Amino acid sequence: DAKTTQPPSMDCAEGRAANLPCNHSTISGNEYVYWYRQIHSQGPQYIIHGLKNNETNEMASLIITEDRKSSTLILPHATLRDTAVYYCIVTGAAGNKLTFGGGTRVLVKP
Amino acid sequence: GAVVSQHPSWVICKSGTSVKIECRSLDFQATTMFWYRQFPKQSLMLMATSNEGSKATYEQGVEKDKFLINHASLTLSTLTVTSAHPEDSSFYICSASFNSPLHFGNGTRLTVT
Repeated sequence: DAKTTQPPSMDCAEGRAANLPCNHSTISGNEYVYWYRQIHSQGPQYIIHGLKNNETNEMASLIITEDRKSSTLILPHATLRDTAVYYCIVTGAAGNKLTFGGGTRVLVKP
Repeated sequence: GAVVSQHPSWVICKSGTSVKIECRSLDFQATTMFWYRQFPKQSLMLMATSNEGSKATYEQGVEKDKFLINHASLTLSTLTVTSAHPEDSSFYICSASFNSPLHFGNGTRLTVT
């Protein structure tokens, strides 16, 4: 699976959009981009995934660049409950084991 | 959505004893489940892949005789930490999938005294 690079931490203001970047320059054509988050002392929670098209669900939007070498997770209106570690993961098969990197520790401030 | 349940959510045991952690897929059948371990302020590390009806596949460096995995049915996998020692104290998390994506349990915090 391709390696991902994320900033270690970022702050954002409550009510504003949070844009979380992820680089995956070695991604191959059949690999998906998955996003999970982990709130303190809980298991990871699935957020969204995509292959090459932009995706949106009730939690977030995923923007994947045309060359697929990077992506951005957008939380449209961050709340205090969105404070968590966000993981960007690239994997080749649906339901396959996931390899977690360091993630981005997001702190939403009032 | 898919729900994965882990039990217990926390456990304290004495050094040298064994502890069993259960992972259940509540509303789907999972032929494959995964077990992860997470130390404080670190990321999740995959320990093993649990396959229903066959032996688990362990990641490099994980002792299969210490971390016994049983996946006897399509909805239940168990991880037994045998002869636990304080260095086994960690947050253990299971996951399972039906199609996509992978869903995670809420973890079990093990403290060995």
